Amino acid sequence: GQNIDQPTEMTATEGAIVQINCTYQTSGFNGLFWYQQHAGEAPTFLSYNVLDGLEEKGRFSSFLSRSKGYSYLLLKELQMKDSASYLCAVRSFGNSGYSTLTFGKGTMLLVSP
Amino acid sequence: DAGVIQSPRHEVTEMGQEVTLRCKPISGHNSLFWYRQTMMRGLELLIYFNNNVPIDDSGMPEDRFSAKMPNASFSTLKIQPSEPRDSAVYFCASSFPGLAGGISTDTQYFGPGTRLTVL
Repeated sequence: GQNIDQPTEMTATEGAIVQINCTYQTSGFNGLFWYQQHAGEAPTFLSYNVLDGLEEKGRFSSFLSRSKGYSYLLLKELQMKDSASYLCAVRSFGNSGYSTLTFGKGTMLLVSP
Repeated sequence: DAGVIQSPRHEVTEMGQEVTLRCKPISGHNSLFWYRQTMMRGLELLIYFNNNVPIDDSGMPEDRFSAKMPNASFSTLKIQPSEPRDSAVYFCASSFPGLAGGISTDTQYFGPGTRLTVL
């Protein structure tokens, strides 16, 4: 089975840096995704890691350690519009030979002025 | 480019009624996924298709739920009969195996969702 843990809520101030952690236990691991979801909207793709290390994309970076079952999403220069839920999702191959995503319950980030 | 299209965006129905949700994946994508999102359980995979063929429906909660994909550009999720506990947001997502640096990405792109309320 899959088990994905991430904090339920986090708060931060505009202009600051925040790190959202995700730990997972899974079989057939083949990548980790981060999605952003604003209230009432669909999840949108942010980043993808399959190898260990840091992937940087503008103000957002994502890190993966496969041996530790650990990832984090780093958001720099926070803006009010970054207030959203951030979903960690693990991709794994099932018995069918196809890969699927298992999502964590999301971390609600509130950015205050 | 058009993203994943879902209809209706909102559905309010009474217990016992049949509900049909519709999805049009991104053109060229060959995998389609149906998810359900609730506060309690988060985002759960219900069923997924590859090249219009159902691959795994182990996430479908009960026999009241069924899904079809008659062609590459259309899929339906049906609930019959509906119950109040089916109230949730239902998302459809599609993907196409891609490569970045020689590594498959399989990024899923989500539709806007259908908010279902069963009274």
